[in-house]
Amino acid sequence: ETGVTQTPRHLVMGMTNKKSLKCEQHLGHNAMYWYKQSAKKPLELMFVYNFKEQTENNSVPSRFSPECPNSSHLFLHLHTLQPEDSALYLCASSRDPGGNQPQHFGDGTRLSIL
Amino acid sequence: TQLLEQSPQFLSIQEGENLTVYCNSSSVFSSLQWYRQEPGEGPVLLVTVVTGGEVKKLKRLTFQFGDARKDSSLHITAAQPGDTGLYLCAGARGGANNLFFGTGTRLTVIP
Repeated sequence: ETGVTQTPRHLVMGMTNKKSLKCEQHLGHNAMYWYKQSAKKPLELMFVYNFKEQTENNSVPSRFSPECPNSSHLFLHLHTLQPEDSALYLCASSRDPGGNQPQHFGDGTRLSIL
Repeated sequence: TQLLEQSPQFLSIQEGENLTVYCNSSSVFSSLQWYRQEPGEGPVLLVTVVTGGEVKKLKRLTFQFGDARKDSSLHITAAQPGDTGLYLCAGARGGANNLFFGTGTRLTVIP
């Protein structure tokens, strides 16, 4: 139990569907992150939120839309995805943003685009 | 261009053997973290090193931060099947909002 919960654990969707990934942290952290992990690529940072405000958007396509209603919850809204978007999507949190804090990861959502 | 390169990319060894994993960069980091990710799970922090030349031990795992704070190594003694997983280094740079993750080393320890 890492204190970071992601749902769903697995998701299969067509390219025209709209779905959302959810992340919740119970650690009282102020910063939350979305990462993409593909089989043949290193961990890619997508978005960073600090106190609900987005502080980093790592050139992510607009078909990925993050939402952070409060510092405990983070969503990733998906629409019109492409097959190359199939990957493991990981959420993480840290006490504060910036790399000097350890990050606590959820177990990820395995996304498959048909 | 990847900021942190890890080597080897894949490593398969017999139980009981020793191994070393490297994390290299041309950039200086204020600190460096090592994570292990097991199948079906997210990465879990193993250790953070902060001072150049620092050595930290975690049971059979020994972590070293380079003197110039540009590189790090992880040495495992007498590897066990439970050590199997993806090892990730991650560096922190002043002023950055996030960690920079390495390319990863996938370790398999065969019983």
